[in-house]
Amino acid sequence: AQKVTQAQTEISVVEKEDVTLDCVYETRDTTYYLFWYKQPPSGELVFLIRRNSFDEQNEISGRYSWNFQKSTSSFNFTITASQVVDSAVYFCALSEPNTNAGKSTFGDGTTLTVKP
Amino acid sequence: DAEITQSPRHKITETGRQVTLACHQTWNHNNMFWYRQDLGHGLRLIHYSYGVQDTNKGEVSDGYSVSRSNTEDLPLTLESAASSQTSVYFCASSDRASGSTDTQYFGPGTRLTVL
Repeated sequence: AQKVTQAQTEISVVEKEDVTLDCVYETRDTTYYLFWYKQPPSGELVFLIRRNSFDEQNEISGRYSWNFQKSTSSFNFTITASQVVDSAVYFCALSEPNTNAGKSTFGDGTTLTVKP
Repeated sequence: DAEITQSPRHKITETGRQVTLACHQTWNHNNMFWYRQDLGHGLRLIHYSYGVQDTNKGEVSDGYSVSRSNTEDLPLTLESAASSQTSVYFCASSDRASGSTDTQYFGPGTRLTVL
């Protein structure tokens, strides 16, 4: 069965610190997708990134970077030089298109607080 | 621009009443989902649909029902509202086309309070 674990419930950092949000997943499928979503205090859920299981290249987008490692079943998210606007709940999610078409399993989320 | 909307955004109701939450998407997506979000539980799947006339139960479906009469809408009905159903409800949709990536796009959420 698919499972997503975000062991960090809450993280608090001071502005300009780097912070890494951990995500560990379980799946029996060889084809799957991994996602990160952001939920700011306003409440909406915003899609950030998607990775497929055949692409282990790390990705950088501005201050955001993602490290996908199949060997450790992890898909970690790093924010460099954090800002107050990064304060949000971040969700990691997993989908298995061949066995659970269309459905995603979400982690419980990590609440990130960036203090000025 | 394509979008997914939910109404109402806030709702207060009484125990035992029937409540329907609306979800409308203009992405032309086949897949639609309803989740509830509670502190400490993340997002839990209530019901989902892969297309018109198709509905399926998720992990927390008791006390909820959905119907899919067209591609754009998936209303969620609480048959007899209970205080345990006080939550924030999110609707989402994704594409089912060949080669789709299962990326779900979410509505703004509905905050429901059952007194």
